[in-house]
Amino acid sequence: EAGVAQSPRYKIIEKRQSVAFWCNPISGHATLYWYQQILGQGPKLLIQFQNNGVVDDSQLPKDRFSAERLKGVDSTLKIQPAKLEDSAVYLCASSLALGNTEAFFGQGTRLTVV
Amino acid sequence: AQKITQTQPGMFVQEKEAVTLDCTYDTSDPSYGLFWYKQPSSGEMIFLIYQGSYDQQNATEGRYSLNFQKARKSANLVISASQLGDSAMYFCAMREGQTGANNLFFGTGTRLTVIP
Repeated sequence: EAGVAQSPRYKIIEKRQSVAFWCNPISGHATLYWYQQILGQGPKLLIQFQNNGVVDDSQLPKDRFSAERLKGVDSTLKIQPAKLEDSAVYLCASSLALGNTEAFFGQGTRLTVV
Repeated sequence: AQKITQTQPGMFVQEKEAVTLDCTYDTSDPSYGLFWYKQPSSGEMIFLIYQGSYDQQNATEGRYSLNFQKARKSANLVISASQLGDSAMYFCAMREGQTGANNLFFGTGTRLTVIP
């Protein structure tokens, strides 16, 4: 079974530029999460989708971050414009459904904003 | 208030010994799930073990066991017979409820180093 795929693995951009990350969850997984993990911290949830609907985006800085999950499968996370403090690993995860099932994570995209 | 608290930034253990990584949680929801993940230096998050709030017995998965003390709101991970490959960051996480967003909240992690 293929895992959660993310691309790119690494990205370096200058502040005020824009960047986009892509995630392909495990086939059949209805729930998709985007997390931000700053160095030395635990992952922080940015947004959660159930199929193609947003369940929770309360922690998403909506002035610069946006995410979509068209057709309830792939998802993209965009930052525009980027700030230095956005430097982090962006993790995508998926789970079969809401409820007490484990989430499976991709390898993440390491973003460096200079 | 912090949903998940991991008070040990770093732990050392001798190879082949057992180690306990602490985790306490805070929720008023009677239905919740507790998870432990391992994050090696390569960055991926690897699911280790799960405990449901209504589970009567402590969860076990191979060398991993979860010491679930509901009244104390603790969910410590016990790794038995430590191996060099166990060196990694370990995160405790919680998902609340059967209703609502079911967000998965993470603690700040514990870095485990296994000494040969």
